[in-house]
Amino acid sequence: DQQVKQNSPSLSVQEGRISILNCDYTNSMFDYFLWYKKYPAEGPTFLISISSIKDKNEDGRFTVFLNKSAKHLSLHIVPSQPGDSAVYFCAASVQWRGGGGADGLTFGKGTHLIIQP
Amino acid sequence: DVKVTQSSRYLVKRTGEKVFLECVQDMDHENMFWYRQDPGLGLRLIYFSYDVKMKEKGDIPEGYSVSREKKERFSLILESASTNQTSMYLCASSLVGEETQYFGPGTRLLVL
Repeated sequence: DQQVKQNSPSLSVQEGRISILNCDYTNSMFDYFLWYKKYPAEGPTFLISISSIKDKNEDGRFTVFLNKSAKHLSLHIVPSQPGDSAVYFCAASVQWRGGGGADGLTFGKGTHLIIQP
Repeated sequence: DVKVTQSSRYLVKRTGEKVFLECVQDMDHENMFWYRQDPGLGLRLIYFSYDVKMKEKGDIPEGYSVSREKKERFSLILESASTNQTSMYLCASSLVGEETQYFGPGTRLLVL
């Protein structure tokens, strides 16, 4: 069963407007969430993250919102630019508590964001 | 800047061949990971390692093995390649205690 869901395979947004990418999760143990951006034929690059002790984190044009009760997070990009066209992956983990190694991230299937001029 | 490199960007192999995918990171990260990415399926964890000679199975380890003889190097091995292993393979690394993983550019493997 998919623990991290990105229900929109693609999203088209006009340049300059806000892009909102959504992500839902089912595993209540997840307490750390990340967004990655991926261009074709390249590896994912880290964009922004949020711990479950916060409900918002901002970095420039990118803001991630977390609603723990709804098990939902969203990535807002304002204003959207042509270079933002890429596939965006939501990922989740149970934060490492010490005493061993980290586990891998659990990824959603991705949303292809297309910024139209 | 973290740099994760993968030995090949593109590989074409025959069914039944033994395939080695190499990954090297230069930031002294303890944790290393192998994922595969397939259209419509996102990234799925194959194996990970949190120390030299240590390995843990991920979600889809069948048909794969790994080797970590040095801290900076993590190899993924396909003992006998099959067509359903055609995929994009992504290596990642992270510091112990950190959740953020840094990815290499990927190896696109085609098994004929």
